[in-house]
Amino acid sequence: SQQGEEDPQALSIQEGENATMNCSYKTSINNLQWYRQNSGRGLVHLILIRSNEREKHSGRLRVTLDTSKKSSSLLITASRAADTASYFCATVRSNDYKLSFGAGTTVTVRA
Amino acid sequence: GAGVSQSPSNKVTEKGKDVELRCDPISGHTALYWYRQSLGQGLEFLIYFQGNSAPDKSGLPSDRFSAERTGGSVSTLTIQRTQQEDSAVYLCASSLEGRFWNGYTFGSGTRLTVV
Repeated sequence: SQQGEEDPQALSIQEGENATMNCSYKTSINNLQWYRQNSGRGLVHLILIRSNEREKHSGRLRVTLDTSKKSSSLLITASRAADTASYFCATVRSNDYKLSFGAGTTVTVRA
Repeated sequence: GAGVSQSPSNKVTEKGKDVELRCDPISGHTALYWYRQSLGQGLEFLIYFQGNSAPDKSGLPSDRFSAERTGGSVSTLTIQRTQQEDSAVYLCASSLEGRFWNGYTFGSGTRLTVV
């Protein structure tokens, strides 16, 4: 069963704008991760945030985590056409390494 | 190797036939995972091999699905008597474990089409 739910399901923005997507989950977690998928094939790990962290940055990516609300957000700043992809959040519970994925947000960046 | 390698990249098979999908994880990664993704959907967990422990098979959808990992390295996912609903992209991932764990590295997947 899916642990995370992304919102929105789809997002279309102009190049240069920021893209924000949210993820909600149900059970306690050890960490939460975001992945990107191009063309329906392999996923690429973007960023990992641990349950005791509130915010993390990596290049143009900013991730927040609110464990009291069981939610996370991914912000992509100054978007580029190459950011067009599906983005998935995934959670790890405290007792194993198994990732539970949400259904993803499809982001389209228009040139 | 440098990345997770999966083969074949595409497989078309007739309903009722058996198929084998192969995954070569990153050298030194002790954990290996299989997921599948149906068109436009999220990833569905299938099975997880963790070091020398018994695999977590809780995600396998039926007894037609099985997987093995030989020598703690290469893994094979076998689907017997394939059905049309088995059509999906099958993704393999590997990772370190313990305090070095930092998420999964995925292969490019095998797109299985059952006709």
